[in-house]
Amino acid sequence: GAVVSQHPSWVICKSGTSVKIECRSLDFQATTMFWYRQFPKQSLMLMATSNEGSKATYEQGVEKDKFLINHASLTLSTLTVTSAHPEDSSFYICSASSRDRGLYGYTFGSGTRLTVV
Amino acid sequence: EDQVTQSPEALRLQEGESSSLNCSYTVSGLRGLFWYRQDPGKGPEFLFTLYSAGEEKEKERLKATLTKKESFLHITAPKPEDSATYLCAVGAQKLVFGQGTRLTINP
Repeated sequence: GAVVSQHPSWVICKSGTSVKIECRSLDFQATTMFWYRQFPKQSLMLMATSNEGSKATYEQGVEKDKFLINHASLTLSTLTVTSAHPEDSSFYICSASSRDRGLYGYTFGSGTRLTVV
Repeated sequence: EDQVTQSPEALRLQEGESSSLNCSYTVSGLRGLFWYRQDPGKGPEFLFTLYSAGEEKEKERLKATLTKKESFLHITAPKPEDSATYLCAVGAQKLVFGQGTRLTINP
């Protein structure tokens, strides 16, 4: 159990366009979802936390208007990178947790490799 | 502010050569310490959660231990398929990750 599906696995887009990444919890209700960014050979950096039905909380230094997060249901959160530029190229990973699953609830998606050309 | 430091940054072992990875942490109050395995191009895969000093958990060739200042991930008689980056994290709602240890097991 506790599967998180993330799509797409990789995406290439042109500079100035927007890209949407989906994160779905397949077999549990994710009351909270997290979005991370990871540069090559570096660790995961938390970008934002989203609770179902409310606005996302962004970490310091993360542009809210560039990285739009929507958590409209208990099984789906989306991250939209707006007006993407080459410096936004990175590995984006979501994770989901549930109050019912307590501290064991951190299940990660498989990640999305974004390349902006 | 919670901080996590992992060492070494990279470790190369021969198959069967046991070793340990270190995770030092500084937190205002430990809610949980997590170990994850991450393969290239994949998301982290959950291994263990430790809550209090003295706690130990095992899974196949891996054993995680916890003290008040650090955690160790012991790898016994590793195989090439154990090659991965091992991440340590602390937190409750939000996780703070260390930079990871890239482990390579040569056959």
